[in-house]
Parts: sequence; C-alpha cells; structure tokens
Amino acid sequence: DAEITQSPRHKITETGRQVTLACHQTWNHNNMFWYRQDLGHGLRLIHYSYGVQDTNKGEVSDGYSVSRSNTEDLPLTLESAASSQTSVYFCASSETNTGELFFGEGSRLTVL
Amino acid sequence: GESVGLHLPTLSVQEGDNSIINCAYSNSASDYFIWYKQESGKGPQFIIDIRSNMDKRQGQRVTVLLNKTVKHLSLQIAATQPGDSAVYFCAENGGSYIPTFGRGTSLIVHP
Repeated sequence: DAEITQSPRHKITETGRQVTLACHQTWNHNNMFWYRQDLGHGLRLIHYSYGVQDTNKGEVSDGYSVSRSNTEDLPLTLESAASSQTSVYFCASSETNTGELFFGEGSRLTVL
Repeated sequence: GESVGLHLPTLSVQEGDNSIINCAYSNSASDYFIWYKQESGKGPQFIIDIRSNMDKRQGQRVTVLLNKTVKHLSLQIAATQPGDSAVYFCAENGGSYIPTFGRGTSLIVHP
C-alpha cells in the first residue's frame, strides 16, 4: 500500500545544531507539504512543493528550508535549531487536482 | 488575513449521543472544505469533504453541512463512540490546493 513516512519520529537536539527531518511518500503525489503543530495554533504551513525542483515558503518559513530533488522526498532542514522550533512536525502530500492531504505520523522535535 | 476558526475548543459527549462540531471560515473564495480527524500521537486523517456547490454531504455516521451565507460548516457525528475521541480540524481550500486549517476541536466521548 502507498504511504507517507517521516523520520525520525522523535529527536532531541541542542540550540544551534542543524537538523533534517525526512519525509518519503510512495503515493507518487506532486504536492508535498510541511506543517508544524503547536498547542493553540493548530497546523501552520512551513514550506510546500508542487513538484520536483519547486519549493515555496509558507506561513512560518523563517529558519527552515526544503529541497525537492525527486517526487518521493521533501526533507525539512533547520539550519540552526532554536528553542522556538520545538514542535511536532507533519509532512503531507496530495494529488495535483484535489485538496485532500495524506499525512505522515509526525516527528516530535525538542530543541534544548 | 483570512482565517478558519472553531467555536468550541472542547466538546464532551456521552457515548451514543450525536456530536456537532462547528467551524467558521472567512475566505469567501474558498470552494472546497475538508474535515480531518487526529487521534493522539498520529497525523490527521481525512473524514469527509464538501465542495461549495453543495450544502450537505453524508458519509458513514458523519454529515457535513455547509452554509455559505454565514460562512459556516459543521461536522455531525451520529451515535458517537469512544473511538471518535480525537481532535477534529476543518480546512478550507481557496483553489490553490493549499488548505488552511482551523485550530481544532477536541472531542471527548464518555462511555
């Protein structure tokens, strides 16, 4: 069955370190998204991509970057982790002509 | 800016009762709406969707109602079960396939 997986599921890091969260989908979806989820804020869009070599900033993109070298993967990089980036991160994908998102199980990141 | 909001952050019901979760949206250009269910420790999952040319759509035990006049949609869950306990999000799409999510409502079902 097609799926979307995130790794690691849990990560503890220190302020200033670079962190990369992986997202891999086998749906062959063109659209991929990264959200962060914090209490009181719901799901906020970080970056998204409509296809290979395409990346776009979302609502809360500062301090994050993504790259899209193939259809299946959209890794999220925190260049210099900050305590404010402690959160649960969700990757999602969707078909080009629908709005339904398929979410991964989430990656909980703690920045000390 | 445009936003999607929920009226009740927490809803507690008894098993077997019907549940109604409400959502207000402000983007009049939104033409597609989705309800997601998020169980503890998991990612959101699609429940049901509705397009702006419809007022009502039914699924298995769930019904979504859309009132475009007052920019409001609701999710009705019939005969609520303990397994329905979760956070429910509404999301709106304005044509860009990038949904905007509300803050979520926590549904607690008491046995």
